[in-house]
Amino acid sequence: EPEVTQTPSHQVTQMGQEVILRCVPISNHLYFYWYRQILGQKVEFLVSFYNNEISEKSEIFDDQFSVERPDGSNFTLKIRSTKLEDSAMYFCASKNRGRGPNTEAFFGQGTRLTVV
Amino acid sequence: AQKVTQAQTEISVVEKEDVTLDCVYETRDTTYYLFWYKQPPSGELVFLIRRNSFDEQNEISGRYSWNFQKSTSSFNFTITASQVVDSAVYFCALINGGSQGNLIFGKGTKLSVKP
Repeated sequence: EPEVTQTPSHQVTQMGQEVILRCVPISNHLYFYWYRQILGQKVEFLVSFYNNEISEKSEIFDDQFSVERPDGSNFTLKIRSTKLEDSAMYFCASKNRGRGPNTEAFFGQGTRLTVV
Repeated sequence: AQKVTQAQTEISVVEKEDVTLDCVYETRDTTYYLFWYKQPPSGELVFLIRRNSFDEQNEISGRYSWNFQKSTSSFNFTITASQVVDSAVYFCALINGGSQGNLIFGKGTKLSVKP
């Protein structure tokens, strides 16, 4: 069964360093998302990506964040200069349609980012 | 405003008990989609069910059932004869018809099923 794959599963980084979180969405999907879950809290939307551009972003997704689909298969989230409060589980998700009957998002297993 | 409220932060039951997880949503859209996701201790998010706003038919899947009531803006989830493997955090979520499909999650309900 196709699945969303995220690497690494856990990343530890020093404050101020850049990190890139990687995702391989399901191959025929067209919409891609990043979500964040701070430990013990709810899952929060960061950004959606369609047709090689950001289609929507939340207020969390500030200038420190960027997304890219560099090669048609990977979907990356970059944090330029990490802060302690960026420590969270980051989930990538994909779906084949933005809305409509087949709208369930399939999530990756997450990358736990720890900023020290 | 779009919002999902899961008032129950934690629920603890004994195996074989029935348990209902509450979800109340707010949206201005007439077309929207509701979801339940399960997050087991391993951390991944597992899709359980989707319900469209124009389909109020309740659904049963094995020990799971969902009660969608537009009149009260609720989409409650019942587990019958709970099992230890049901222990997880359960999230209710909403997609508005006018959005790009991003999910608005509730804060989740942590269910602990004790043997």
